[in-house]
Amino acid sequence: RKEVEQDPGPFNVPEGATVAFNCTYSNSASQSFFWYRQDCRKEPKLLMSVYSSGNEDGRFTAQLNRASQYISLLIRDSKLSDSATYLCVVNGASNAGNMLTFGGGTRLMVKP
Amino acid sequence: DVKVTQSSRYLVKRTGEKVFLECVQDMDHENMFWYRQDPGLGLRLIYFSYDVKMKEKGDIPEGYSVSREKKERFSLILESASTNQTSMYLCASSLPGNTIYFGEGSWLTVV
Repeated sequence: RKEVEQDPGPFNVPEGATVAFNCTYSNSASQSFFWYRQDCRKEPKLLMSVYSSGNEDGRFTAQLNRASQYISLLIRDSKLSDSATYLCVVNGASNAGNMLTFGGGTRLMVKP
Repeated sequence: DVKVTQSSRYLVKRTGEKVFLECVQDMDHENMFWYRQDPGLGLRLIYFSYDVKMKEKGDIPEGYSVSREKKERFSLILESASTNQTSMYLCASSLPGNTIYFGEGSWLTVV
């Protein structure tokens, strides 16, 4: 089983739709969690950190479920500019301790 | 803003050449990383460093070496480039356990 797992997609949604991605992790001792966004042929950039209490930034909401070992990202009112690959990142996912492990990414395509 | 700079953005090298990829960060981060990213394989860690002169192997170190003589600079070296090392290389830095910041990437083609 992969340490951090994501559905690769693509998720094809119309503008204005709400879309959610999940990411599962295998190590229950994982410490911190992030969502990154990567545009085609660009570097990944931090979208948001994921806190135990959940957090929201505009149209984006991130949640952590420690019991079931997954994090989620919800995007409301999708825009064409949201089209990208979303990477889940977990700190401490592996037995290497304080190391970041990346999921394979979920591709989102928002259509007019 | 955190700045991670990869000086070489696009390179074309011949098989067997020695290749240096340089990376500099300006935020006094202890941790620095080199990844490569290939379609369908995601981000794979090559080497990382927790401190000056320290280096640790990542998941795919074969064919690569690194150098960290100064805190802000982390170099990736391909001793003898091969065609299967054609890829996008991403340098990153972070504070321990904290957000990781990436450079813009270096696109290497080995012919």
